[in-house]
Amino acid sequence: GAGVSQSPSNKVTEKGKDVELRCDPISGHTALYWYRQRLGQGLEFLIYFQGNSAPDKSGLPSDRFSAERTGESVSTLTIQRTQQEDSAVYLCASSLLEGQPQHFGDGTRLSIL
Amino acid sequence: SQQGEEDPQALSIQEGENATMNCSYKTSINNLQWYRQNSGRGLVHLILIRSNEREKHSGRLRVTLDTSKKSSSLLITASRAADTASYFCATLSEKLVFGKGTKLTVNP
Repeated sequence: GAGVSQSPSNKVTEKGKDVELRCDPISGHTALYWYRQRLGQGLEFLIYFQGNSAPDKSGLPSDRFSAERTGESVSTLTIQRTQQEDSAVYLCASSLLEGQPQHFGDGTRLSIL
Repeated sequence: SQQGEEDPQALSIQEGENATMNCSYKTSINNLQWYRQNSGRGLVHLILIRSNEREKHSGRLRVTLDTSKKSSSLLITASRAADTASYFCATLSEKLVFGKGTKLTVNP
């Protein structure tokens, strides 16, 4: 499809395990964003990629969180040694340029047991 | 830090009524955007209003922006049950920052 695609849609894992979440942005979108959304809450910014510039990692909550993006394509968000407070929906969005309307995937619902 | 704050947090109306949601922010902005989120889905962009604009329309949506009061409103006219969703404002300064949203329920 032409939209932002995220996988897996749901992930259940045990505390202490590592998880990797994937985002396929819309082709040609230079900007890519990761957000965390806890139940009934707003979006918490995690990290932003813009072209080949250094990513804005200012929203990552701890050094257990990291993300990579290959060029202007797929991005992965990795959470190491997961904790129960990491349970949330992780949303990815892309936009043509920074500041323009963002297009969101349906998210990965992460549950840490 | 939170920039946009929506008001009310929740709103329940009957089909056919109008729904008004408000967003207040603290610092100067380049633009303000409204998004909708259906349960279990990602956000969908509805409308963008630039800092030099005062009002914009899109179908049944009307957005106003008052930069002197640092506030915006989203009006949905002749609401439908399918409008039931959470609505978020997002303000663009250095980056786009989302509010906590208004949960709208439209009862048939």
